[in-house]
Amino acid sequence: DTAVSQTPKYLVTQMGNDKSIKCEQNLGHDTMYWYKQDSKKFLKIMFSYNNKELIINETVPNRFSPKSPDKAHLNLHINSLELGDSAVYFCASTGRDGGETQYFGPGTRLLVL
Amino acid sequence: LAKTTQPISMDSYEGQEVNITCSHNNIATNDYITWYQQFPSQGPRFIIQGYKTKVTNEVASLFIPADRKSSTLSLPRVSLSDTAVYYCLVDRSGGSYIPTFGRGTSLIVHP
Repeated sequence: DTAVSQTPKYLVTQMGNDKSIKCEQNLGHDTMYWYKQDSKKFLKIMFSYNNKELIINETVPNRFSPKSPDKAHLNLHINSLELGDSAVYFCASTGRDGGETQYFGPGTRLLVL
Repeated sequence: LAKTTQPISMDSYEGQEVNITCSHNNIATNDYITWYQQFPSQGPRFIIQGYKTKVTNEVASLFIPADRKSSTLSLPRVSLSDTAVYYCLVDRSGGSYIPTFGRGTSLIVHP
């Protein structure tokens, strides 16, 4: 069983479109994250949710809107996609209000043309 | 935030021991150090975690000096499959803490 899953794995789209990435974890964790990894391998946190509540919202354009329908899911919706949004997006989850081992999904490779 | 500094890249050969050092000068008392490994086209995965002194598991060892301002990940007898990016993370319990991974160290193991 996959602990943290993301869909889609690849996403190629045009500038200006709106797209969503979904994340699900079956580990029973309370905390979930979205990270963005650029071409230089920087892994930068974007959002953190704890029990469906937004905890961390780093300096991210408001075109990015996370949504947690329940504790096991954290989706990322992106409006008006820009070229600079091209990156790999990782979802992760951790237990005990964060700070424990993080389990990462396989990533979603987004390419904006 | 506890900022970390690691070498950008390292090269090694099969069978050698590899040591990757991470600096974290402003680590707080209740912070601990975690290392992750990331293969191409995959998400990072946990390798080892420690608070002080030495921790060893089946994959690696982690050495943390008394002042805790740095830590060293040691990979014994690396193989080609250890080629990956290694991230040092200073972490803390609590949902409001912002985990900061940085850029990681790209390790290439040569035959």
